[in-house]
Amino acid sequence: SAVISQKPSRDICQRGTSLTIQCQVDSQVTMMFWYRQQPGQSLTLIATANQGSEATYESGFVIDKFPISRPNLTFSTLTVSNMSPEDSSIYLCSVGLAELSSYNEQFFGPGTRLTVL
Amino acid sequence: AQSVTQLDSQVPVFEEAPVELRCNYSSSVSVYLFWYVQYPNQGLQLLLKYLSGSTLVESINGFEAEFNKSQTSFHLRKPSVHISDTAEYFCAVVRRDSSYKLIFGSGTRLLVRP
Repeated sequence: SAVISQKPSRDICQRGTSLTIQCQVDSQVTMMFWYRQQPGQSLTLIATANQGSEATYESGFVIDKFPISRPNLTFSTLTVSNMSPEDSSIYLCSVGLAELSSYNEQFFGPGTRLTVL
Repeated sequence: AQSVTQLDSQVPVFEEAPVELRCNYSSSVSVYLFWYVQYPNQGLQLLLKYLSGSTLVESINGFEAEFNKSQTSFHLRKPSVHISDTAEYFCAVVRRDSSYKLIFGSGTRLLVRP
């Protein structure tokens, strides 16, 4: 398994500002992902954070709104830009560990609870 | 496209009673299946998974789930629940040919009452 930490754990922000969320893993991992969990809803994949190259975004998410960095195999950041109240969500980082099978099991961080006023 | 359906948004149950949380999926390709649990104010934890082999999988805390290919279901069951099982439970699938893109159901809140 992997131990994943996120900073900040929660924040309250003003409309129009930006917030950068950090994800730190205790070991090198091949894959890192960012998810959003809107209030009362399920998780939606935002993007895959690629080490040394641009992130791969899912449909409905764009780099200008959610820029992502991944400078090495243990760290990634997600920025929520020009925030609006609709961005109020829990943002979760997850990592995939390579196993003998083709599936990379995912482990999740504790999440960052964002409230935009 | 794949989808995951959890029909029950909330399941109230008394302590020591049995419970079943339903999950159905639709996919044109084979999938891996998972149940994740989210305790209040915490992140997601993997509860159990079906990758291949025996269709009945068990977790260390008494939950089990059975993969039923003909009914495209992966229902979660526990014969006797505890107060500490109160949490949000998410069913998820991954396409075997995509290897990592988890698709989650809408979640079921299990509320265990004394």
